[in-house]
Amino acid sequence: AQTVTQSQPEMSVQEAETVTLSCTYDTSENNYYLFWYKQPPSRQMILVIRQEAYKQQNATENRFSVNFQKAAKSFSLKISDSQLGDTAMYFCAFMKHDRDDKIIFGKGTRLHILP
Amino acid sequence: DAEITQSPRHKITETGRQVTLACHQTWNHNNMFWYRQDLGHGLRLIHYSYGVQDTNKGEVSDGYSVSRSNTEDLPLTLESAASSQTSVYFCASSESGQREQFFGPGTRLTVL
Repeated sequence: AQTVTQSQPEMSVQEAETVTLSCTYDTSENNYYLFWYKQPPSRQMILVIRQEAYKQQNATENRFSVNFQKAAKSFSLKISDSQLGDTAMYFCAFMKHDRDDKIIFGKGTRLHILP
Repeated sequence: DAEITQSPRHKITETGRQVTLACHQTWNHNNMFWYRQDLGHGLRLIHYSYGVQDTNKGEVSDGYSVSRSNTEDLPLTLESAASSQTSVYFCASSESGQREQFFGPGTRLTVL
């Protein structure tokens, strides 16, 4: 069975700083997808970034980028030039590359961006 | 615009009552999912469906049921609500092979 572990329950950084959220996962699959979801105080789940395991290049979306280390089963999220609006719960998630389409979520990291 | 909605957004009920949470999507997605979110647990899968008349149990399905009579709706029923089912419930949908789930706004359920 797949598991997703986020070892940082809570983090705080100053506005404009760079912050990295950690995520490790365990799987015997070779092909899969990894995601970072953001959940702001509004409670809405928002997809931040997606990585396909067969792609070596790390995904990037504006200020958000990932460091995907397949051999180490590590998938960290880097937020550059952090903004107050980045304050949220962040979930790392895993999906197998088959018809399954089920997502397994980590327990989340609560990120506070301080003014 | 296509969307996914949940109702009610908040509900308070009593132990032992039957409760149904609605989920409606206009994406015309085949796949629909129900999750519960609890502090310290992240989101855990309750039930899911790959199409009309198809339902499957997830990680935490005990005490819950779903039915899929059309593409747009996947109602979640708590047969006899328990205090342990106090949680925030999220519905999500996806198109097969698209690898992205779209989430509803959530329903906060309190069982007293």
